[in-house]
Amino acid sequence: QAQLVESGGGVVQPGRSLRLSCAASGFIFSSHAMNWVRQAPGKGLEWVAVISYDGSDQYYADSVNGRFTVSRGRSNNLYLQMNRLRVEDTAVYYCVRGGGGTYYGRYFDLWGRGTLVTVSA
Amino acid sequence: AIQLTQSPSSLSASVGDRVTITCRASQDISNDLGWFQQRPGQAPKLLIFSASSLQNGVPSRFRGSGSGTDFTLTITSLQPEDFATYYCLQNYKFPWTFGHGTKVEIK
Repeated sequence: QAQLVESGGGVVQPGRSLRLSCAASGFIFSSHAMNWVRQAPGKGLEWVAVISYDGSDQYYADSVNGRFTVSRGRSNNLYLQMNRLRVEDTAVYYCVRGGGGTYYGRYFDLWGRGTLVTVSA
Repeated sequence: AIQLTQSPSSLSASVGDRVTITCRASQDISNDLGWFQQRPGQAPKLLIFSASSLQNGVPSRFRGSGSGTDFTLTITSLQPEDFATYYCLQNYKFPWTFGHGTKVEIK
């Protein structure tokens, strides 16, 4: 059964860094683009970043470009390195699989349960 | 960035009702649009991709239509488990963007 499990969330001060992880299982990780999507408390969804299936290309939302870096590891893991965190980065962060077989995926077909990041002094 | 305008932002409906949610893009996005359902406390779930293709395992009462700039999600006969918030997403051009959501509540 395909599954995504995020970890690494927590409380962090503004300006500090945090690294999120996502463990994938039950599918061929290297065949899928992967995304991070976030949701601030009581708010809507915001796409954050995508990494191509082979890890060679990434795109970011304007709100995080230059501060966040998405990468993928060898052991079916996805990462999000978040630097210079801001209060407005407070959100649940979801790891999301790109389905449909294209370079960046055609749709978001598998979601993790999310991990909460709180940026507060 | 491409803006997606969902309407209405919320609606009240009864079990058995036909419900229609619209999503309008600020520019032509072909059929690169998906629809998601999010129940409280849960992760979103893909319902429709490529504007009108039903995701595996999703009940056939969910229907997507449209292309270009105007898209519609229709629930043909609302069920108790359908009370949730619905989002559209365009993945035509980076940055990918979501609509602001439509909350479907019980009348």
